[in-house]
Amino acid sequence: AQSVTQLGSHVSVSEGALVLLRCNYSSSVPPYLFWYVQYPNQGLQLLLKYTTGATLVKGINGFEAEFKKSETSFHLTKPSAHMSDAAEYFCAVSGGYGQNFVFGPGTRLSVLP
Amino acid sequence: EAGVVQSPRYKIIEKKQPVAFWCNPISGHNTLYWYLQNLGQGPELLIRYENEEAVDDSQLPKDRFSAERLKGVDSTLKIQPAELGDSAVYLCASSSGTGRDGYTFGSGTRLTVV
Repeated sequence: AQSVTQLGSHVSVSEGALVLLRCNYSSSVPPYLFWYVQYPNQGLQLLLKYTTGATLVKGINGFEAEFKKSETSFHLTKPSAHMSDAAEYFCAVSGGYGQNFVFGPGTRLSVLP
Repeated sequence: EAGVVQSPRYKIIEKKQPVAFWCNPISGHNTLYWYLQNLGQGPELLIRYENEEAVDDSQLPKDRFSAERLKGVDSTLKIQPAELGDSAVYLCASSSGTGRDGYTFGSGTRLTVV
């Protein structure tokens, strides 16, 4: 079975500062890992994913994440926060083909002017 | 290409009344999911369909919730009767089945039971 932990239910950063949202997972098989963003009153939008290959993956809106198997982590980063990045971010893990996604509890990102 | 379409966007009903949500997935996506999202929490799976077959409904409260996916395309999720605790956002998602490309989510239906 898979599970996801997101450290920090709420993260605040200043505009232009580094964004770091933490995600740790557990999986008994090589995982598929995803980050989703949710703006108010909207569905979830895929930011980026890791399935196989390069462990540093780049996504939309300048976000990237690195899969670290030894640390069972998939932290999301962005070098410079923008006001439009304020949203809820969810990390998700899947056990692979045909397996359901398990979502973390989410981290709400606030960007201060 | 149209995304995952859900309706209605918002629904307010009195407790003990029935309610239904509709989802139209992305064309060609054989896998369809219904998720429940409570305020401030991550989505939780209710049911997963592969074509018209419900392959995982272990988390669906079957005493009051039901779902169908006739012809393996559109899907309907029903609650009868609704309870106050059912107030939440109901999300529909679809995928190609392998899961490698992630899920595509609809905008959700926000249900308020009063």
